[in-house]
Formats: sequence, C-alpha cells, structure tokens
Amino acid sequence: NAGVTQTPKFQVLKTGQSMTLQCAQDMNHNSMYWYRQDPGMGLRLIYYSASEGTTDKGEVPNGYNVSRLNKREFSLRLESAAPSQTSVYFCASTTAYSGANVLTFGAGSRLTVL
Amino acid sequence: GENVEQHPSTLSVQEGDSAVIKCTYSDSASNYFPWYKQELGKRPQLIIDIRSNVGEKKDQRIAVTLNKTAKHFSLHITETQPEDSAVYFCAAFEGAGNQFYFGTGTSLTVIP
Repeated sequence: NAGVTQTPKFQVLKTGQSMTLQCAQDMNHNSMYWYRQDPGMGLRLIYYSASEGTTDKGEVPNGYNVSRLNKREFSLRLESAAPSQTSVYFCASTTAYSGANVLTFGAGSRLTVL
Repeated sequence: GENVEQHPSTLSVQEGDSAVIKCTYSDSASNYFPWYKQELGKRPQLIIDIRSNVGEKKDQRIAVTLNKTAKHFSLHITETQPEDSAVYFCAAFEGAGNQFYFGTGTSLTVIP
C-alpha cells in the first residue's frame, strides 16, 4: 500500500516549457487535490477533484490545468511555465465522507522554473 | 469562502515546556479540523484532528481544543522534545465545498 505517489520528485524547467506532474493513490479515495507550498504562505489549493469526472478551481488556478484520468490518478499540467510557478507541489487525497475525511499527502514535487 | 488564520508564525520553547498554537476560522459550516506536522523537506503528516461535535481530544502529549462559538481551535504540545521541532499547520474542512483550508503554518523550535 503505497498511499499517494507523485512524480517527478524534482524538475527544472526553462520559462515557457511545459510539463505534467503525475499523482496516483491506491487508497480508493474519491477526492484528490493539488497544492503548492511557498515559504510563509502555507499550502494553497490549485485544483481539486471531488470525485472521478469532476474538477474545480481552487485558490490559485491560473497557469495550471488538471485531469482526473480515473479514480486513482490526478495530473497537474503547466502549459507554459513561469518563474512564479517555482514551488513545491503536493498532491493529496481523501475519502471526504463525513467522519472519514483524513487528508493524505504525497511526498511532494520540487519544481524550479528558470 | 473559509479563511483560516494561524498564530504565531514562529515559536521557540525550551525542551520540556509546553507549546500552544492557535487558529481561527470564519465559516461556521466547517466541521473537521486537522493538524499537520511537516518536517524539513518532508510531506505534511496528520498528528491529530477534531470534529465539530467534540470540544477536546488528546493523544499522549498532544491535545486539540475546539471552541465552535468563538470559531477557534488550538494545538497543545506538552513536555516538548527536540523532535517536535517542525512546521505545524492547522486546517478547516468545509464539507459542502469539499475543500481543506490551511493556516500559514507555525515554525516550532524546541531548544535542548
């Protein structure tokens, strides 16, 4: 039982390049989230997917797109990377049922945009 | 939407002393309040949580209290140890929007 798995762990991009961060969970969770973490700003929600087939914007969605490929996988795409997107990205998942909504995080992906 | 504020942003305590971190929230519909510990370079890990129908919960040296009327909740760590040094995040879960809202974190340093 791996929990939440993110790839890659580290990535360096040049401004304007594109990339996709992959996330997969094996806990049969129905809700998945992408957060970015910047110093002093906590965890800010980029996009989330309450259930398979749905996605919604969070607090900071500009410059990102997501795909909920199936129940297990939720990817985050940067179409044209900018230096402001240098950050650590965390994927997380939960069942989101009342009484059973513990949020579990992946190990994080550190992205640097030059 | 929900707004979670966390204080203090940094906290230093002597080993063996207690540490208290406080959070406030704005949406009375929030019903689940987890606390996460994040060590340097690691992922946030759940350390304790509390639901809106409970006022206090304790797990060994860690306790969380919730005041629904005042919309605030606090993390209490007793008999602190150097390994408690980390960044701690509070969060509020609002079920209708299916979102977790995080505080900005408290960097706790326990001085041996």
